[in-house]
Amino acid sequence: NAGVTQTPKFQVLKTGQSMTLQCAQDMNHNSMYWYRQDPGMGLRLIYYSASEGTTDKGEVPNGYNVSRLNKREFSLRLESAAPSQTSVYFCASGSFGGPNTEAFFGQGTRLTVV
Amino acid sequence: DAKTTQPNSMESNEEEPVHLPCNHSTISGTDYIHWYRQLPSQGPEYVIHGLTSNVNNRMASLAIAEDRKSSTLILHRATLRDAAVYYCILRDFRDYGGSQGNLIFGKGTKLSVKP
Repeated sequence: NAGVTQTPKFQVLKTGQSMTLQCAQDMNHNSMYWYRQDPGMGLRLIYYSASEGTTDKGEVPNGYNVSRLNKREFSLRLESAAPSQTSVYFCASGSFGGPNTEAFFGQGTRLTVV
Repeated sequence: DAKTTQPNSMESNEEEPVHLPCNHSTISGTDYIHWYRQLPSQGPEYVIHGLTSNVNNRMASLAIAEDRKSSTLILHRATLRDAAVYYCILRDFRDYGGSQGNLIFGKGTKLSVKP
């Protein structure tokens, strides 16, 4: 039961470097999400994908790009990392509709930009 | 989106019941009440959800006020492993994913459990 798998778990970047955070789910969900969580804060939505081939901006999309590679995988890319992007990043997937509205989260990627 | 209000923190003793309150006075008739929790250094995990009637599962119980303007998550016997931030979230049951599938997290209630 893998659920939602994120890689890497930890990463340190220098300002201006780029990287891609990977996320994969094995539950055949249509919807996938990327959140960030800053210390003492709730989660904020960066981007989401309602289905394979579609992506849309969430609350805090600036500085990020995403790719829904297939139904299983949804990646988040930082093109030019900034210290303000130091955060914990969570990927989630869910199968929604009616009473069936449970979301599943990965373990997170702890990113530090120096 | 309808908002929820929760206390910032609560304390409990191990093996005692815990009642975590949530106010949602602007809830609409189509909003489900969801609870998620986030253990230290983990992603959030689903706990329970309900619409009008009280709900029970292996993790917790959810008591919903008759007017649905408040609800209470009940942990029947708190364990040290239950120490986490608990989030009360409203979601329209007509949502079918995409932007409507987004869970809007507030700051939640940080539950501490003392041995």
